[in-house]
Amino acid sequence: AQKVTQAQTEISVVEKEDVTLDCVYETRDTTYYLFWYKQPPSGELVFLIRRNSFDEQNEISGRYSWNFQKSTSSFNFTITASQVVDSAVYFCALSEASGGFNKFYFGSGTKLNVKP
Amino acid sequence: EAGVAQSPRYKIIEKRQSVAFWCNPISGHATLYWYQQILGQGPKLLIQFQNNGVVDDSQLPKDRFSAERLKGVDSTLKIQPAKLEDSAVYLCASSFGRGQETQYFGPGTRLLVL
Repeated sequence: AQKVTQAQTEISVVEKEDVTLDCVYETRDTTYYLFWYKQPPSGELVFLIRRNSFDEQNEISGRYSWNFQKSTSSFNFTITASQVVDSAVYFCALSEASGGFNKFYFGSGTKLNVKP
Repeated sequence: EAGVAQSPRYKIIEKRQSVAFWCNPISGHATLYWYQQILGQGPKLLIQFQNNGVVDDSQLPKDRFSAERLKGVDSTLKIQPAKLEDSAVYLCASSFGRGQETQYFGPGTRLLVL
């Protein structure tokens, strides 16, 4: 079973539209971390946010916001008023403790195309 | 602050040849990771080092892949012999500690095996 599921393979929007990227995770740990990374065409993964399992407060950073819901094991990412520069592949990731060290799992990514 | 450095950026080899990738993590970062990212997929962790010791190599194909981090700083990942299915981007990342901390990624090495 997939530890991190990003069901949306590819999304296309027109500039200034809002878009939400879905992420569903699976873990038995009570302590874990969730991440979002952006991978632009250049290829380098860029860190966006880290959330621990005890903090369900939603977070907003400029045009980006994240909705963490433990009840549905989801950690969704919304971009408000999208821009062409937001075009990239976005990855959700889970980190859980295992035998004294952390195991990291990435989803398969959602490719976002923002058209002018 | 300098980011994670990797070289080479691109490599083309024929199957059964050997290849090595180099990574220099962010200064002061104790934990170093190597990932394999096949086109259209998310990164898959191959090996994790804490200083110069291996913490997790459960997904490393040990019959052909090897990695080392001798002085607890930079690291080398080797494939010998390469197969067609090894064509991928090899990403190196580092984090400050052993906890569930943020990983910072390098630009990757794009490998094509012909």
